[in-house]
Amino acid sequence: DAKTTQPPSMDCAEGRAANLPCNHSTISGNEYVYWYRQIHSQGPQYIIHGLKNNETNEMASLIITEDRKSSTLILPHATLRDTAVYYCIVRSRRSSNTGKLIFGQGTTLQVKP
Amino acid sequence: DVKVTQSSRYLVKRTGEKVFLECVQDMDHENMFWYRQDPGLGLRLIYFSYDVKMKEKGDIPEGYSVSREKKERFSLILESASTNQTSMYLCASTRGEGETQYFGPGTRLLVL
Repeated sequence: DAKTTQPPSMDCAEGRAANLPCNHSTISGNEYVYWYRQIHSQGPQYIIHGLKNNETNEMASLIITEDRKSSTLILPHATLRDTAVYYCIVRSRRSSNTGKLIFGQGTTLQVKP
Repeated sequence: DVKVTQSSRYLVKRTGEKVFLECVQDMDHENMFWYRQDPGLGLRLIYFSYDVKMKEKGDIPEGYSVSREKKERFSLILESASTNQTSMYLCASTRGEGETQYFGPGTRLLVL
């Protein structure tokens, strides 16, 4: 699975959009971009995933650049409950590596009042 | 919505005790996983299962065993708990290989 690079931390004001970037310059054609988050002392929570088109669900939007080398997770109206570590993962859906997920260091998002 | 539940959120055990951690998913998922998560080490795969009564070792199976007698339930067993097994244990399930993994809330285990 391709490696990802994320900033270690970000701040966001409550009610504003939080834009979390992820670089994945070595992504290959069959690899998806997944986003999870982990609120302190809880299990990781799936947010969204995409291949090449932008995606939106009730939690967030995922914008993938045309060359697919980077993406941005957008939380449109951040709340204090969105404070968490956000992980960007790139993996093939036909992965042969047992299916295990590998989390990098992620981005710690701090939403401030 | 997929629901993955784990039997305990917090557990305190003594060295040498046998420990059972249970995980149940309600979405008829084929695959289930046990990870542990430690600061600075990320997620590490202990065991996984692709079907009932099937199990495969992950990256760090030593000191652990698993059981999957029913599709919805995947148990992690610490035969003789040791202090270096103090960790956050996470269960996950997925419909098929490469599909989205859904995690349980985690069990924070302290071995004294």
